[in-house]
Amino acid sequence: NAGVTQTPKFRILKIGQSMTLQCAQDMNHNYMYWYRQDPGMGLKLIYYSVGAGITDKGEVPNGYNVSRSTTEDFPLRLELAAPSQTSVYFCASSYTHGEKLFFGSGTQLSVL
Amino acid sequence: GQNIDQPTEMTATEGAIVQINCTYQTSGFNGLFWYQQHAGEAPTFLSYNVLDGLEEKGRFSSFLSRSKGYSYLLLKELQMKDSASYLCAVASIKAAGNKLTFGGGTRVLVKP
Repeated sequence: NAGVTQTPKFRILKIGQSMTLQCAQDMNHNYMYWYRQDPGMGLKLIYYSVGAGITDKGEVPNGYNVSRSTTEDFPLRLELAAPSQTSVYFCASSYTHGEKLFFGSGTQLSVL
Repeated sequence: GQNIDQPTEMTATEGAIVQINCTYQTSGFNGLFWYQQHAGEAPTFLSYNVLDGLEEKGRFSSFLSRSKGYSYLLLKELQMKDSASYLCAVASIKAAGNKLTFGGGTRVLVKP
């Protein structure tokens, strides 16, 4: 049972480049989330999904896009990367709302 | 909106007890979570309180007072491996998707 699998672990982007962060879970969870964590700060919600085909914005969605074509996968797309997107990104899932989150191992992204 | 406050950093000695406080302001309160995050790793679930009172899990306990908007995480018999950040997170039914709002985290340093 892999839990939440997130790739890549590290990535360096140039300003203006695009990339997709992959996230997959094998726990049949309905809810999936993308958070970013800046140094010494808490987690900020970027986007979330309550099921396949349904996504919605969190607190800091600008510059990002998501899709949820299957229950298992929830990729995060960065278009036109900017230095402000330098952060650690965590994907998480839960069976339903109000339940504990299971986190992926994180992606450290630097935009230079 | 929601506001969550917790101390930035605490230092304690191995074998001692440390109490990490968390105060919050929210409407539609639907539970409070504590997560542990070691440096460079993903957060992992520690505890969940939705009713007033104390929840004990081995060396860790968590307390909640909904009327005061207050929780604490108590770590007893501290071990070196307890050096980590501890994140307080509040769930609200009035937040889209019942999403969690995280505090900035409290970094605990355990000294020999």
